[in-house]
Formats: sequence, C-alpha cells, structure tokens
Amino acid sequence: QSALTQPASVSGSPGQSITISCTGTSSDVGSYNLVSWYQQHPGKAPKLMIYEGSKRPSGVSNRFSGSKSGNTASLTISGLQAEDEADYYCCSYAGRVFGGGTKLTVL
Amino acid sequence: QLQLQESGPGLVKPSETLSLTCTVSGGSISSSSYYWGWIRQPPGKGLEWIGSIYYSGSTYYNPSLKSRVTISVDTSKNQFSLKLSSVTAADTAVYYCAREDTELDYWGQGTLVTVSS
Repeated sequence: QSALTQPASVSGSPGQSITISCTGTSSDVGSYNLVSWYQQHPGKAPKLMIYEGSKRPSGVSNRFSGSKSGNTASLTISGLQAEDEADYYCCSYAGRVFGGGTKLTVL
Repeated sequence: QLQLQESGPGLVKPSETLSLTCTVSGGSISSSSYYWGWIRQPPGKGLEWIGSIYYSGSTYYNPSLKSRVTISVDTSKNQFSLKLSSVTAADTAVYYCAREDTELDYWGQGTLVTVSS
C-alpha cells in the first residue's frame, strides 16, 4: 500500500482556519468513511483527533472537524491557537495506511 | 483509563531480531471488537503501520514487512508482542503499541529502538 498524500506543511495565523488534505485511492480513502486524523507534538505519541471521517473523540475541541469527498479526506482546524502547532497525520483503516504527515505552523 | 506501555531493548545489532512487548492496563486485551497494533516512526519521518493482532490470535501484517514480522498475544499477562527479524539500520525507529478499532484510540508512549553494532 502506498502512503496517502498530504501537503508537507501548512501555516496560519491565530484565529484563522486551515485545512489539511489527505489524498488516497478508491481502495483506501475512497472505499469507506474510515479515515482518522492524529496530532503529534514533538517527542510525544500521536493523539486521535478525528475518527470515521468526521467524528470527534470525547475531549477533542470542536475546532477540529473532518470531511471527505471522493478519494480525498480533509481536516479543518478553525480558530487556530498556538497549541495547535504540531504534525498531523491522516490514516485510512482500509489499507491500514498513513499519510506522510503535515507540519502545521501557527504564525 | 486504558494505558499501554512498550518495553524491550533499546539497542539491537544488525541482522538480529528486535523484540518488544506491550503491556495493557486498565482494561482487558481480550475485549471483543479490538485489535492491538504496532506502529513505528523513524527519526524525523512519518508513521508506518507494522501489524495488528486480535486476542484470538488473528493477525494482520503490513505486506512490506510481512516476511520479517511476528506479532503474538498473551492474554494471561494482558500483553502482546512484536518480533522483527533480520533488522538493519532502516529499522531504527520509535515503536508504538496502540489499541485498534477503525482508528488507533489509545497509544503507548513509544520506545526508541536503535539498530547498530
């Protein structure tokens, strides 16, 4: 399985919204709504932020939202905060494959 | 609160076998519906799914690693384990264990394994 495609980096100012895309194929992202998103701060384990495409685990801010269109899933973070600066990874359970990761910089 | 903790040698010699164990506390590894997985992350790089196991012993392995990977489970100890054979420097990574549903919702803190002579 090939890794899902994410932009290497995105940036935004505090209060703004950003979107991170995650492109796969009809065999993974496009097959089922089983995309999850993980936030990883330096030296820490990944943290689940979105599962089954658009669901938020308990305790995750509603500033984080997920969606999917065709073979591309997206993570949107609204009202950017300094603490959101981290690496973000998408993952498709169909194929058990991760994206390459996106570094989010809060300017 | 479910907790996972990886343990094992931090240094492995090339061509030898890497062995790690994940101990689960705060819940039973025999819970239905969940697989238990291993994921790794080379320094400065992204995440890679290694494989997963159900409490009954059913496994999934990443096709690119399948020939070298064995994942096993010990329900009596609430643990599952990873063995990766014939390691090279490319296998140097932080290795994480995690609970797997259609997502990875609980993760261990990770353990760095370095392959070097």
